[in-house]
Amino acid sequence: DTGVSQDPRHKITKRGQNVTFRCDPISEHNRLYWYRQTLGQGPEFLTYFQNEAQLEKSRLLSDRFSAERPKGSFSTLEIQRTEQGDSAMYLCASSPGLAGARNEQFFGPGTRLTVL
Amino acid sequence: EDKVVQSPLSLVVHEGDTVTLNCSYEVTNFRSLLWYKQEKKAPTFLFMLTSSGIEKKSGRLSSILDKKELFSILNITATQTGDSAIYLCAISGAGSYQLTFGKGTKLSVIP
Repeated sequence: DTGVSQDPRHKITKRGQNVTFRCDPISEHNRLYWYRQTLGQGPEFLTYFQNEAQLEKSRLLSDRFSAERPKGSFSTLEIQRTEQGDSAMYLCASSPGLAGARNEQFFGPGTRLTVL
Repeated sequence: EDKVVQSPLSLVVHEGDTVTLNCSYEVTNFRSLLWYKQEKKAPTFLFMLTSSGIEKKSGRLSSILDKKELFSILNITATQTGDSAIYLCAISGAGSYQLTFGKGTKLSVIP
């Protein structure tokens, strides 16, 4: 399977715990994105990397959230001191990073986080 | 702030019907508009539109963009139960590669 992969697929944690999610993009894609989706809403942008550089961060990304892409391949998203409001589906996407408009994003299966 | 409004929010049709889903948007320096299909998992890419008036087509699905009136439509002809899903519209503005999504249209196709 050469699509975007995410791990774990489901995570249940207690409030106050830290969690970390991993995303492996499509191998030739140099752009990687994180989104969050709650029930009844479309995905909301969190952050984006071009290779290893984090180029954009949403105001939604509080200081409890941190994302890395150390070697420009896989990425991790960490949430510290989780709150019940963090419960959501966390989606990762990647795109080729071509110049111009042709940069459709392809999504992974998501990590569903439940904070008790 | 970029904004996407989709209508209707939900729609129930019978197999064989034709449906039109609407997406209107506000964006600074339009780059592209994308349509995705989401079943009980991650969104799957359908179309990317960048130019007005040019129809994109894939099987029974087609889409067109009107950059003057700031909207796009997604048409599905001869609907099947497998078309039941949430259809998401998203836009991207110049200077940013983030996508801004609408809330989606939930389509239910009944036999």
